[in-house]
Amino acid sequence: QKEVEQNSGPLSVPEGAIASLNCTYSDRGSQSFFWYRQYSGKSPELIMSIYSNGDKEDGRFTAQLNKASQYVSLLIRDSQPSDSATYLCAVVMDTGRRALTFGSGTRLQVQP
Amino acid sequence: SAVISQKPSRDICQRGTSLTIQCQVDSQVTMMFWYRQQPGQSLTLIATANQGSEATYESGFVIDKFPISRPNLTFSTLTVSNMSPEDSSIYLCSVEISPEGGSGIYSYEQYFGPGTRLTVT
Repeated sequence: QKEVEQNSGPLSVPEGAIASLNCTYSDRGSQSFFWYRQYSGKSPELIMSIYSNGDKEDGRFTAQLNKASQYVSLLIRDSQPSDSATYLCAVVMDTGRRALTFGSGTRLQVQP
Repeated sequence: SAVISQKPSRDICQRGTSLTIQCQVDSQVTMMFWYRQQPGQSLTLIATANQGSEATYESGFVIDKFPISRPNLTFSTLTVSNMSPEDSSIYLCSVEISPEGGSGIYSYEQYFGPGTRLTVT
């Protein structure tokens, strides 16, 4: 079974710190990787996508991908209380179908 | 991205009845998806809906229970049939869009509608 694994948390960080969220996936052939943020009672919001090994930065967010280790991470710099949410890692494991397989999500709490 | 709407936003239904959820997007998209998010859980794909072809269902989901229509490139419906309390969930549609500057099928991104919260009593 193709899987995406995340630590469920909660991950608690103080305001201004760096939050590090991690995700592993089982299908070595996966090509597309995404991070979604989901506030309670809301639908997932796409915050980062990454397709190549290395880092991709967008504002306070950095996604990191290591296909050899089947590992993708999200760093949030200068964490704010408004970043408190569940972060979902999602992977396209079948390029033909292009459907997302989601991890269970990591709940992030940023303490003011 | 795209502007995606769903109707209804929430509903409370009786066991044994059916509910049709609508998903509308403000631009033409090839691929639309339907997901379910049960309370406290992550998202699970129900089916992929391409315009002009039959929906493709994931393991554990069948057409008789979750019939899907995709009449054009901006609209889709999901029906939850013969409902039971176990169907209480949030149902989400998503659309696939190629971002600006993106190239190839690997760069497609999915954006979600606001969801439909269904409670079956």
